[in-house]
Amino acid sequence: AQSVAQPEDQVNVAEGNPLTVKCTYSVSGNPYLFWYVQYPNRGLQFLLKYITGDNLVKGSYGFEAEFNKSQTSFHLKKPSALVSDSALYFCAVRGRNDYKLSFGAGTTVTVRA
Amino acid sequence: KAGVTQTPRYLIKTRGQQVTLSCSPISGHRSVSWYQQTPGQGLQFLFEYFSETQRNKGNFPGRFSGRQFSNSRSEMNVSTLELGDSALYLCASSLDGGPTDTQYFGPGTRLTVL
Repeated sequence: AQSVAQPEDQVNVAEGNPLTVKCTYSVSGNPYLFWYVQYPNRGLQFLLKYITGDNLVKGSYGFEAEFNKSQTSFHLKKPSALVSDSALYFCAVRGRNDYKLSFGAGTTVTVRA
Repeated sequence: KAGVTQTPRYLIKTRGQQVTLSCSPISGHRSVSWYQQTPGQGLQFLFEYFSETQRNKGNFPGRFSGRQFSNSRSEMNVSTLELGDSALYLCASSLDGGPTDTQYFGPGTRLTVL
């Protein structure tokens, strides 16, 4: 069975500083990895995904993520955080034959002005 | 293109009642998945439908059921509501539900059971 760990419940950064949200995964075979963001009282918004190919994936709103197979990680990054990036971030994984997404517990990001 | 829509957005029910939630997927999407989100358990998969067939089911009791119509719209039903069913119920649609397919989520239905 696949699983995702987001080791940090909260990440706090100053506006303009780099933002990193960590994610590690466990899955049989090749992983398909996703990042979503959730604002208060809203559904999840898709940011980016890794399927195959280049380990650095670029997504929406200036976010990118780096797939590292040896470390089984898929960390989300943004070079310069904005106050509007404050939200709840979820990492998710699927295996080759999976229909469902398995989500991490989420990381709350707070960007202070 | 319109996104995933869910109705109603908010519901208040009492224990023992039953409830039906509705989801309209993005046009052209044939797969619909349902998730339950709670502070304690996080996001948990309920079930997935494709072409009116349930293909996958999460670890929830039989009180939770769903269906999909020929136009890909989906409903989920919870019977004999319990306090622990209070949650945000999220619907997600995708083209075919395959493992590389992106799921797009609706805004959710907030269910409160009193």
